[in-house]
Amino acid sequence: RKEVEQDPGPFNVPEGATVAFNCTYSNSASQSFFWYRQDCRKEPKLLMSVYSSGNEDGRFTAQLNRASQYISLLIRDSKLSDSATYLCVVSISGTYKYIFGTGTRLKVLA
Amino acid sequence: EAGVTQFPSHSVIEKGQTVTLRCDPISGHDNLYWYRRVMGKEIKFLLHFVKESKQDESGMPNNRFLAERTGGTYSTLKVQPAELEDSGVYFCASSQVGLNEQFFGPGTRLTVL
Repeated sequence: RKEVEQDPGPFNVPEGATVAFNCTYSNSASQSFFWYRQDCRKEPKLLMSVYSSGNEDGRFTAQLNRASQYISLLIRDSKLSDSATYLCVVSISGTYKYIFGTGTRLKVLA
Repeated sequence: EAGVTQFPSHSVIEKGQTVTLRCDPISGHDNLYWYRRVMGKEIKFLLHFVKESKQDESGMPNNRFLAERTGGTYSTLKVQPAELEDSGVYFCASSQVGLNEQFFGPGTRLTVL
């Protein structure tokens, strides 16, 4: 079983749609959580950290459910420029190394 | 502010040869990390430096890989001798002390023939 699991997609959605991705993690000692965005053949770029209380940044909302060990990312009013792979990342307590999911591909269609 | 830089962007070598990858972190970032993505798999951790010290090298696949960070600034990752399964994209990341948010470089795409 992978430490961080994501649905690889692809998710094909029309412009303006709302789309949600989930990610589950297996290690209960996971302490820090992030969503990164990766464009084709580019480096991962931090989209947002995920806090226990949930957090929002513009059209993006991230939620953490520690009891069920999952993280979600909601994108509202999808734009063509949101097309990318979204990587779920966790870090275990006491370490700084990142554990990545395989990513979820999103394609926003005109 | 300049981001994390990596050199070269691409490298094509033959099995058995040696390759050295370089990473320059963001200025002032004491934490430096190496990660690797092989075809079809998720990005995986290789090792973590704090300044010039190896904090965690649990992800290094074998002793053909040697990472250094002399002086605590840039880092090199040497693969010697390279094998076919070493092909992939090698990412470097850096972060400030006390902060867990890591910033990634553009990666080096290594192809071993």
